Amino acid sequence: ETGVTQTPRHLVMGMTNKKSLKCEQHLGHNAMYWYKQSAKKPLELMFVYSLEERVENNSVPSRFSPECPNSSHLFLHLHTLQPEDSALYLCASSQGLISNEQFFGPGTRLTVL
Amino acid sequence: AQKVTQAQTEISVVEKEDVTLDCVYETRDTTYYLFWYKQPPSGELVFLIRRNSFDEQNEISGRYSWNFQKSTSSFNFTITASQVVDSAVYFCALIANDYKLSFGAGTTVTVRA
Repeated sequence: ETGVTQTPRHLVMGMTNKKSLKCEQHLGHNAMYWYKQSAKKPLELMFVYSLEERVENNSVPSRFSPECPNSSHLFLHLHTLQPEDSALYLCASSQGLISNEQFFGPGTRLTVL
Repeated sequence: AQKVTQAQTEISVVEKEDVTLDCVYETRDTTYYLFWYKQPPSGELVFLIRRNSFDEQNEISGRYSWNFQKSTSSFNFTITASQVVDSAVYFCALIANDYKLSFGAGTTVTVRA
């Protein structure tokens, strides 16, 4: 595997379900990110991890819970979501937080029924 | 806080035409980085270019070229002799000292054969 991978690519869940999104980066980067992309809205930064420590929680509801067990893996745990949470969830990684480009995964298309 | 404006929502051209995408940004920081990303229908954001605030040199990469002008806070992107494969959503983004990558709303480019 190369670059940034995300699983699953598509997910349909009910509002009472619990699921997790997984992201893995094979680039040796030390920062990872979760973004939400909804229709007709700009990409929204959700969480930032640097050296496995969370450095940003961008006013995200508690029904989204991130986890970064090591520098290569990032999870987004989901529970009791709402239909308006349906979106494309993108993971990214970078070397450092500012000067270098972020590389994105293919995203998970989430539908909440 | 940073802000990126892409005033063009959609652009439609015929193959071989040139297309220029506008990007205007706002930041109070003197050190910042500008990016362009391409998002094809598959969904994955593809990094195209990074430019730091101290380097105003224009850049050309194949059919792509970028014009960075600090005086007008603009970082425009031109595709020369467009091809159908260029059809995608293009995002301009900026990051400064708060390490939050701020994206514009995106411009959808459709290249017709």
